[in-house]
Amino acid sequence: QKEVEQNSGPLSVPEGAIASLNCTYSDRGSQSFFWYRQYSGKSPELIMSIYSNGDKEDGRFTAQLNKASQYVSLLIRDSQPSDSATYLCAVGKNYGQNFVFGPGTRLSVLP
Amino acid sequence: EAQVTQNPRYLITVTGKKLTVTCSQNMNHEYMSWYRQDPGLGLRQIYYSMNVEVTDKGDVPEGYKVSRKEKRNFPLILESPSPNQTSLYFCASSPVLAGGADTQYFGPGTRLTVL
Repeated sequence: QKEVEQNSGPLSVPEGAIASLNCTYSDRGSQSFFWYRQYSGKSPELIMSIYSNGDKEDGRFTAQLNKASQYVSLLIRDSQPSDSATYLCAVGKNYGQNFVFGPGTRLSVLP
Repeated sequence: EAQVTQNPRYLITVTGKKLTVTCSQNMNHEYMSWYRQDPGLGLRQIYYSMNVEVTDKGDVPEGYKVSRKEKRNFPLILESPSPNQTSLYFCASSPVLAGGADTQYFGPGTRLTVL
């Protein structure tokens, strides 16, 4: 079992729909959780960070964390073609020294 | 402009020829890290540094060395590269908040091919 797993893609959604990206992690001691977006041929860039159980909203993006279930998700509302990218889930361990990334989920938003 | 720079961006080399990939950041971040990205495996942490002269191994350190003599620079050294080190490498930096790294800012990547 990989330490951080994400739903396999590619995920295709129509423009304007909600895209739901999921991530599970195995280390219960993980303290911080991040979603990065990576366009093809580019470097990852942060979308959201979340540290406490519950929801965190930023514009069209909502991150959800459930530490009991070891689960973190990212919802993208009103998806746009410009959201088409690979989304990487990252988990911080060892008090923010080590970071483990999931393999990524490729999202395609169809016009 | 706040940024992380890496050089070179592309490198083709041969097995056993020592090489260094440089990384520099201008954001005064304490934390710096190196990752490699391979298809299907995602980003894997090679080494990280919490501050000057403080470095530690990540998940895949074998075959790599690092040093942190200055806050802004964190070079990655491959003493004897092998074909299995062919990969896309990213350097990242982050401020340290409450004792740990937070949002990481990534460099543009270095694509390394070892023949």
